[in-house]
Amino acid sequence: EDQVTQSPEALRLQEGESSSLNCSYTVSGLRGLFWYRQDPGKGPEFLFTLYSAGEEKEKERLKATLTKKESFLHITAPKPEDSATYLCAVRRAGGTSYGKLTFGQGTILTVHP
Amino acid sequence: DAGVTQSPTHLIKTRGQQVTLRCSPKSGHDTVSWYQQALGQGPQFIFQYYEEEERQRGNFPDRFSGHQFPNYSSELNVNALLLGDSALYLCASSQTGNPGELFFGEGSRLTVL
Repeated sequence: EDQVTQSPEALRLQEGESSSLNCSYTVSGLRGLFWYRQDPGKGPEFLFTLYSAGEEKEKERLKATLTKKESFLHITAPKPEDSATYLCAVRRAGGTSYGKLTFGQGTILTVHP
Repeated sequence: DAGVTQSPTHLIKTRGQQVTLRCSPKSGHDTVSWYQQALGQGPQFIFQYYEEEERQRGNFPDRFSGHQFPNYSSELNVNALLLGDSALYLCASSQTGNPGELFFGEGSRLTVL
């Protein structure tokens, strides 16, 4: 069974203090690793898709990287508006996987001014 | 362009009752997935609909059923409600050629008393 574990569960940063979130995964054939952002009371919002080890994607202050066992979401000089829960998910390869994503439990990021 | 819309946003039911949740996908999307998100947890896959058929199902009992209509909108039905069914129910739409990039609605918050 596919498994996704995120750490830490919660992270408090000062504005401008860079850090990284971790996503460890076990999947039988990776067909994509996805990062989402979720604000309180809202549905998740898509951020990145990574397909193969060594791949990197960037968006504003966020950079996602992928290895064969884990992914990191690096946050550079965060601002209070970056506060949210960040979710990692994987999609398994194979003809019957279609669009099912297996999510981790999320990391709650709080950035203090 | 309207995104994914869900209704109702909040509802309260008692044990044993039945509930129907509704979802309209983002314009241009033909695939609808439903996820259950318990408090403090990541979303869990319930099932996915494509071309009005259930294409894939997660580990949820038969009490959970769904439907997709010709206009791609979808319903999630839950029978014989249990206290443990209390959660945020998220609808996500996607395009067939990009199944991992999900667009989520804001969810329906179900409380079972």
